[in-house]
Amino acid sequence: AQSVSQHNHHVILSEAASLELGCNYSYGGTVNLFWYVQYPGQHLQLLLKYFSGDPLVKGIKGFEAEFIKSKFSFNLRKPSVQWSDTAEYFCAVNEGWTGGFKTIFGAGTRLFVKA
Amino acid sequence: DAGVIQSPRHEVTEMGQEVTLRCKPISGHDYLFWYRQTMMRGLELLIYFNNNVPIDDSGMPEDRFSAKMPNASFSTLKIQPSEPRDSAVYFCATHGGGRGSYNEQFFGPGTRLTVL
Repeated sequence: AQSVSQHNHHVILSEAASLELGCNYSYGGTVNLFWYVQYPGQHLQLLLKYFSGDPLVKGIKGFEAEFIKSKFSFNLRKPSVQWSDTAEYFCAVNEGWTGGFKTIFGAGTRLFVKA
Repeated sequence: DAGVIQSPRHEVTEMGQEVTLRCKPISGHDYLFWYRQTMMRGLELLIYFNNNVPIDDSGMPEDRFSAKMPNASFSTLKIQPSEPRDSAVYFCATHGGGRGSYNEQFFGPGTRLTVL
């Protein structure tokens, strides 16, 4: 069965610090990968997604993620975080059409950015 | 489009009562997912539908939980009887199945359920 592991449950950074959130998945076939963000009191929103092509994916608000197939990883990065990035971040994976678009989410990483 | 609509937004009930959560998907989205979010267990997939048919209900915790999708515009998640451990935020998400916004789930605002 698919699973998604996020390395850190809580991260605390100061503004302007660089961010990297780890995500690993367990599935050997073709996968589609996602990062979602949940701001306090809000629902999940898509940050970025990877289906194929360039393994470096750019998303909204200056976020990017790199797909490394050999490591089964899809880490999220941002060079300089802002206070407004305080949120919970979820990595997710599905197999697309072959898997019925069943999407599995990681446990989430809570990011707190100090002003 | 108004996005995914869920109701109620908040529900407080007493143990043993029946709870019904509702979801209206984005028009044209033929996949619908129900998730439960708790601090302890994170975001869990409970069940999902394709073209109103349940595809995978392996995440439904027990027989007290049931979900239906009588038509393309409406789904319900029912808990009967409810228990305090069911307290969580329940999200509905829909998906266009490769068309339009390809392979992206759109989440509703969630229903925060508290069972006393």
